Amino acid sequence: GQSLEQPSEVTAVEGAIVQINCTYQTSGFYGLSWYQQHDGGAPTFLSYNGLDGLEETGRFSSFLSRSDSYGYLLLQELQMKDSASYFCAVRDQNSGYSTLTFGKGTMLLVSP
Amino acid sequence: DADVTQTPRNRITKTGKRIMLECSQTKGHDRMYWYRQDPGLGLRLIYYSFDVKDINKGEISDGYSVSRQAQAKFSLSLESAIPNQTALYFCATSDSTGNYGYTFGSGTRLTVV
Repeated sequence: GQSLEQPSEVTAVEGAIVQINCTYQTSGFYGLSWYQQHDGGAPTFLSYNGLDGLEETGRFSSFLSRSDSYGYLLLQELQMKDSASYFCAVRDQNSGYSTLTFGKGTMLLVSP
Repeated sequence: DADVTQTPRNRITKTGKRIMLECSQTKGHDRMYWYRQDPGLGLRLIYYSFDVKDINKGEISDGYSVSRQAQAKFSLSLESAIPNQTALYFCATSDSTGNYGYTFGSGTRLTVV
């Protein structure tokens, strides 16, 4: 089968940097995605890593190491509005890699 | 208007009732999905469709059915609702590559009593 592991909760203070890790197990791999969700609202797409390395989008960066089956989301200059749940996702082998399987999510709490 | 619209936003129904959740999109995407979210369990795939004539079961399809009425419309039905189907339901769409991410609707919060 396949699985994704990410911490259930991370806390940080405003202005700090936080890293949310994701490790995965899957027999085939077609990239790692990250999504943000505020308080049960619509999840929104943040980033996609198909190849090893760092992808940067403003204050957010995402990293992938395929050899380590590991990736992370890096949030810099944290703001209160970054308090949300963050999900990593991989393509699901059971659908021929045509759909996404999501991790259980990491709740990020940003304090003043 | 939102790219992906789900109706209703909230619904309370009784055990044994049939209920339909509707989803429509203006993204022009061929691929549509239904996910269920429960606290601590993340998002789990119920059904997905890659075009009007292509419907596939996901991880947790038992107790659910779907209909793809048009490219833009994908509805989810609970034939006989039960309390453990109480959850937050999301519809999503994507292009054919999937690499540019899913676009999710705002969700339907369903309570079965």
